Amino acid sequence: DAGVIQSPRHEVTEMGQEVTLRCKPISGHDYLFWYRQTMMRGLELLIYFNNNVPIDDSGMPEDRFSAKMPNASFSTLKIQPSEPRDSAVYFCASSLKGINYGYTFGSGTRLTVV
Amino acid sequence: AQSVTQLGSHVSVSEGALVLLRCNYSSSVPPYLFWYVQYPNQGLQLLLKYTSAATLVKGINGFEAEFKKSETSFHLTKPSAHMSDAAEYFCAVSDQFYFGTGTSLTVIP
Repeated sequence: DAGVIQSPRHEVTEMGQEVTLRCKPISGHDYLFWYRQTMMRGLELLIYFNNNVPIDDSGMPEDRFSAKMPNASFSTLKIQPSEPRDSAVYFCASSLKGINYGYTFGSGTRLTVV
Repeated sequence: AQSVTQLGSHVSVSEGALVLLRCNYSSSVPPYLFWYVQYPNQGLQLLLKYTSAATLVKGINGFEAEFKKSETSFHLTKPSAHMSDAAEYFCAVSDQFYFGTGTSLTVIP
């Protein structure tokens, strides 16, 4: 299995631009999670899906952030408009059994907003 | 709500020495507990998990952790550190899947 695949690995964009991060979970995994990692705040859960349905989006920082999972093999995290404080590493993770079991993380997308 | 506290943001050990990374949890119910490792510029990798089946949990790369309810702890250990163990280690608890702040392990040759 190729694992959780995220793209792009690095993204540099100007403030105000729209940014879309992509994730392909492991085939057969029913749960998908989006995390953000920064030095100041550590790892933060943004949102998670079960069977393509958003279950908990309470971690999404504000309305500029949105996430979708149109099918079992694809999810996006969109930031519009982007701001410098959104600079972070964004991780996608998937799980076969749910939130009480270990996750498989992707390699992350390093986002820099200038 | 559940949470974890990792004691020590940086730990240095000599190669071949014991590795001990500390994690204490707060939970009103029996928790699920996890340790993950993150190497530079990579995602997190699951080292081991506690799901109440056994208090001593063995993981990958020679790591193990012991669940101690009386101390609300889930410390990670490895008998002999290797240079390749240098990384960031995160403790995590289930429920809302909250991660600790991480401990950076340095291995001195």
